[in-house]
Amino acid sequence: QSALTQPASVSGSPGQSITISCTGTSSDVGGYNYVSWYQQHPGKAPKLMIYDVSNRPSGVSNRFSGSKSGNTASLTISELQAEDEADYYCSSYTSSRTWVFGGGTKLTVL
Amino acid sequence: QVQLVESGGGLVKPGGSLRLSCAASGFTFSDYYMSWIRQAPGKGLEWVSYISSSSSYTNYADSVKGRFTISRDNAKNSLNLQMNSLRVEDTAVYYCARLIVANEYFDYWGQGTLVTVSS
Repeated sequence: QSALTQPASVSGSPGQSITISCTGTSSDVGGYNYVSWYQQHPGKAPKLMIYDVSNRPSGVSNRFSGSKSGNTASLTISELQAEDEADYYCSSYTSSRTWVFGGGTKLTVL
Repeated sequence: QVQLVESGGGLVKPGGSLRLSCAASGFTFSDYYMSWIRQAPGKGLEWVSYISSSSSYTNYADSVKGRFTISRDNAKNSLNLQMNSLRVEDTAVYYCARLIVANEYFDYWGQGTLVTVSS
């Protein structure tokens, strides 16, 4: 199972919006609405930010949103804040009853 | 509150074995599927294995199939990962995570335990 494809890095200024893409195949991202996104600060455990493509867990800011089109999912962070600077990973359930993650995207808040 | 605490990591030689544990609290452990996910130093996340709530179902990533065995003890609220025939490329922080099986995502993660495979 190959990792999902994410950009290595993205950046934005405070108050701006950014979008991180996550591209898979019809056997994972395109085949199921089971895409989730995780935020990881250095030295910390990942934290769930989005599940089932576009749902936010309780306590996650509504500045975080998700979407999907075909084999590509996206995470959008609006009104960027310094605390959003972190690594972001997408994940998808697959047809093999496994899970696959993206390679991760480092978000820099300028 | 949900807590997951991993233990058992350490330094092991290639070909050696190690057993990781994850102590769960703050929820009814026996109601949930669980999973192990790892992260090599400076690299991304890699799903390793999952186990159903009653241990009836398990699955593994191809990279560990035949070498790793996941298990759980619901009476002790404990998740385990027996790792045999370890390779240098198994070096990683190993996280246990609660799996929401109906929606296929990991909602709570432990802080991780570091496994280093080196001669």
